[in-house]
Amino acid sequence: KQEVTQIPAALSVPEGENLVLNCSFTDSAIYNLQWFRQDPGKGLTSLLLIQSSQREQTSGRLNASLDKSSGRSTLYIAASQPGDSATYLCAVKEETSGSRLTFGEGTQLTVNP
Amino acid sequence: NAGVMQNPRHLVRRRGQEARLRCSPMKGHSHVYWYRQLPEEGLKFMVYLQKENIIDESGMPKERFSAEFPKEGPSILRIQQVVRGDSAAYFCASSAAPTGAPQHFGDGTRLSIL
Repeated sequence: KQEVTQIPAALSVPEGENLVLNCSFTDSAIYNLQWFRQDPGKGLTSLLLIQSSQREQTSGRLNASLDKSSGRSTLYIAASQPGDSATYLCAVKEETSGSRLTFGEGTQLTVNP
Repeated sequence: NAGVMQNPRHLVRRRGQEARLRCSPMKGHSHVYWYRQLPEEGLKFMVYLQKENIIDESGMPKERFSAEFPKEGPSILRIQQVVRGDSAAYFCASSAAPTGAPQHFGDGTRLSIL
């Protein structure tokens, strides 16, 4: 059974810092991995999707990497801003379980001005 | 707004009543997924549907829960005879393809059971 773990559970940093969020998964047979942000009381906003054949994806100040064989992904946020404060979720889509996503429990990020 | 639309945003029911949650996928998307987020827990998959078909319902509780995605109209998640433990945020997502394409989420329905 696939398990997704995110470390740390919570992170508080001053504005301007570069930071890394970690995601690990137990079964490396995945189609892709998706990073989301969730604001309080809101839905999920898709940030980046990495296919299993890719090593990384970039969007603005965000960079996500994927090491499928070791079951790890990282989300790098450059020059953090207070508006980046949210919960960040990673989710994997497995090869053997159809189309559903398996989520980690998230990292709650607070960027202090 | 071309995003995934869910309604209602908040729903309050008394124990024993029925709850109906609606989801309209993004335009052009024919794949719909329902997830549940219990208090202080992560999102858990419930069901995956295409038009008029349930493809994967492995995450659905065996009783009281059902889902449909008719040829016309939104997808519906129905919970009969609700209990306190059904209180949660229910999220719908849609995608243009079953694999390889990202899933886009709605803002969810917060269900509260009195």
